[in-house]
Amino acid sequence: QTVVTQEPSFSVSPGGAVTLTCALSSGSVSTNTYPSWHRQTPGQAPRTLIYKTNIRFSGVPDRFSGSILGDKAALTITGAQADDEADYFCSLFVGSGILFGGGTKLTVL
Amino acid sequence: EVQLVESGGGLVQPGGSLRLSCVASGFTLSDYWMYWVRQAPGEGPMWVARLNSGGGSLTYADSVKGRFTISRDNAKNTLYLQMNSLRAEDTAVYYCARIGSNSAWSPDYWGQGTLVTVSP
Repeated sequence: QTVVTQEPSFSVSPGGAVTLTCALSSGSVSTNTYPSWHRQTPGQAPRTLIYKTNIRFSGVPDRFSGSILGDKAALTITGAQADDEADYFCSLFVGSGILFGGGTKLTVL
Repeated sequence: EVQLVESGGGLVQPGGSLRLSCVASGFTLSDYWMYWVRQAPGEGPMWVARLNSGGGSLTYADSVKGRFTISRDNAKNTLYLQMNSLRAEDTAVYYCARIGSNSAWSPDYWGQGTLVTVSP
């Protein structure tokens, strides 16, 4: 069974930069797996940030960028702000549908 | 403004049924493919059902096939998930999510979710 893996947690200093990654248990992530990234805070609807590897969704600031790093998808956040503290999860198109990762809890401190 | 508002969650005994609703506004539901996605406590999300824009293609995750049914009422711009024979492992927050027209199967808008708890 294919699994999508993300770092469980990460921390970043205010104003700093951080790169979160998203990997497949079998095989490499590429643009053909159409990585997307979503942000979730408690009690709020998830918000889509990036789709098709590096396309920012409507209203998403350019502090957020997506890419492929080696065999993983990556989400880079620059100029981290306090309200970037959230869970970030990725999704990949695998087979006939999408799989979501378990999410990375990002702490800004 | 696109909005998705779910309702219908609650506490149900194993073997019971629930029907979730998702009212869409700011767009026409029948123009888009839609997901129901669930997220169990401490886990990542998982899509459980998908409906195409034409309404003729319904796809389910293996774990819910034969028990859950996705449907849509175009007049009410509302998406539904009928859940029967519920099990403890169905406990999760359930989200409806729109599949973007150009997002390669990724959701673009999500609702805030409704909690389903299956317990004696």
